[in-house]
Amino acid sequence: NAGVTQTPKFQVLKTGQSMTLQCAQDMNHEYMSWYRQDPGMGLRLIHYSVGAGITDQGEVPNGYNVSRSTTEDFPLRLLSAAPSQTSVYFCASSSGVWDEQFFGPGTRLTVL
Amino acid sequence: AQTVTQSQPEMSVQEAETVTLSCTYDTSESNYYLFWYKQPPSRQMILVIRQEAYKQQNATENRFSVNFQKAAKSFSLKISDSQLGDTAMYFCAFMKPDNNDMRFGAGTRLTVKP
Repeated sequence: NAGVTQTPKFQVLKTGQSMTLQCAQDMNHEYMSWYRQDPGMGLRLIHYSVGAGITDQGEVPNGYNVSRSTTEDFPLRLLSAAPSQTSVYFCASSSGVWDEQFFGPGTRLTVL
Repeated sequence: AQTVTQSQPEMSVQEAETVTLSCTYDTSESNYYLFWYKQPPSRQMILVIRQEAYKQQNATENRFSVNFQKAAKSFSLKISDSQLGDTAMYFCAFMKPDNNDMRFGAGTRLTVKP
């Protein structure tokens, strides 16, 4: 099992550009989440999904879109990148709310 | 909204000694889950220990144990026999049982000194 994979590992964008951060898991987990990690602030939940076709907003959803067309994939879209979105992004999955969340290796995004 | 507070930005401990990391949270829920995650320099997030609020018995995992005080909304992590590999950021997290909305504290940077 590859676990949770994220691509790319690093990305530099210019203000206003759009891009998609990819996340995939091969553990057949129903629950998937996207977090951002900023210095001194821990991880903050952006969006989450409790199954294919079901998504919901987390703590900091503005500027981001998600969709969940399959169990395996949960892409995060930045529609118009802003410098405030410079951060490290983590994707995570679990088989249930109580179960351990498995995290991907993260994507370091810089918006100039 | 639930908030999680870790009041110790940095801590250090000598190898083989015991250290306790603090965490408090604010919620009006009666049932919920609490977690401690470790993030070493590799940036990988690793689950250390978890506790269900309705269980009064404190969770333990080898050298890691928690002191869960529900009335005080406190969830501290005790690391016994500290090892150099325990050097990492430690995050306390809260989750309601009905969704996948997990809230993290700002973290405590723990350094284990030889």
